[in-house]
Amino acid sequence: AQKVTQAQTEISVVEKEDVTLDCVYETRDTTYYLFWYKQPPSGELVFLIRRNSFDEQNEISGRYSWNFQKSTSSFNFTITASQVVDSAVYFCALSETGTYKYIFGTGTRLKVLA
Amino acid sequence: DAGVIQSPRHEVTEMGQEVTLRCKLISGHNSLFWYRQTMMRGLELLIYFNNNVPIDDSGMPEDRFSAKMPNASFSTLKIQPSEPRDSAVYFCASSSRTSGGAGELFFGEGSRLTVL
Repeated sequence: AQKVTQAQTEISVVEKEDVTLDCVYETRDTTYYLFWYKQPPSGELVFLIRRNSFDEQNEISGRYSWNFQKSTSSFNFTITASQVVDSAVYFCALSETGTYKYIFGTGTRLKVLA
Repeated sequence: DAGVIQSPRHEVTEMGQEVTLRCKLISGHNSLFWYRQTMMRGLELLIYFNNNVPIDDSGMPEDRFSAKMPNASFSTLKIQPSEPRDSAVYFCASSSRTSGGAGELFFGEGSRLTVL
């Protein structure tokens, strides 16, 4: 069965610090997709990234970067030089091609303090 | 293009009343997902449809919950009768399932339900 674990419930950092949010997944499929979403205090869910299981290249988008490692079933998210506006709940999600369900982790609440 | 549209945005009702939440998909999307978000349980997948057909409703908590997709662009989630423990934010999301695999999920803004 597919499962996503975000062990960090809440993280607090001071502005300009780097922070890494962990995501570990379980799946029996060889083809699957991983996602990160951001939920700011306003409540909407904002898509950040989609990655398929065959693409292990790390990705960088501005201050955001993602480290995908199949060997450890992890898809971690790093924010460099964090800002107060990064304060939100971040969700990791998995979709298997077999079931086509999108299963979300429990989220990590990030607080960036000025 | 308009995103996923949910209504109502907020609903306050009394225990025992029927609640209907509505969702309009993004044009061209063929998959529809209903999620429920609470502090205790996070984002739970309730049910999802592909090409108007319910594929998996194993997340629907009880028979009091039902969902329909009468056409390719619209879905409803009904709770009858409602109970206080149903209080949550209900999200609808749509995506386009293609040969390229699972696409991005586009979420609506959510319907916040409070059952007194």
